[in-house]
Amino acid sequence: QQQVKQSPQSLIVQKGGISIINCAYENTAFDYFPWYQQFPGKGPALLIAIRPDVSEKKEGRFTISFNKSAKQFSLHIMDSQPGDSATYFCAAVNTGGFKTIFGAGTRLFVKA
Amino acid sequence: DAGVIQSPRHEVTEMGQEVTLRCKPISGHNSLFWYRQTMMRGLELLIYFNNNVPIDDSGMPEDRFSAKMPNASFSTLKIQPSEPRDSAVYFCASSLQAGGGYTFGSGTRLTVV
Repeated sequence: QQQVKQSPQSLIVQKGGISIINCAYENTAFDYFPWYQQFPGKGPALLIAIRPDVSEKKEGRFTISFNKSAKQFSLHIMDSQPGDSATYFCAAVNTGGFKTIFGAGTRLFVKA
Repeated sequence: DAGVIQSPRHEVTEMGQEVTLRCKPISGHNSLFWYRQTMMRGLELLIYFNNNVPIDDSGMPEDRFSAKMPNASFSTLKIQPSEPRDSAVYFCASSLQAGGGYTFGSGTRLTVV
């Protein structure tokens, strides 16, 4: 119940294309869903986050879509660029507790 | 703010030696987390501090691991004795509140030979 399942494990996208990463959770107590971006040799960095009272959040080229009934959420990267090549982690948080449960990560490679 | 500062960036040590990793969280953040990252197991939460008090250390793999937070601006993770299977990247992260987004440090890459 504490798991967050993330797919795909790796993703190759052409420059200018749309990258889509999906996550699913089971615990309905989760109420905060952040995405982190990690470049090699760096720590994960908070990219964008959503709370379940909205179905979509957009920040620049990055959009989170959230389906509360299906307990699924996804990250869309529009107009993907080579600089977006990184590992992306979805996460789920029960803000009444403290643990952030991370997905296994998706390695994105954007071809120039 | 300089962000979360970890030291050293890289550590190579021999099996059986003591290793101490250090972390300076962002000023004003009251939650601090230690994570371990490996290819096989991904990001694992080792221990969580709130207001300098350890709240949950259930992720600490063995008694060989210990963590302290003597004040709001400093934490250590110690491994004694170290083993090759402890080789990983260790991250420290801090947040304003436990249930919010984290700021991670750049990590310490530990290699135990």
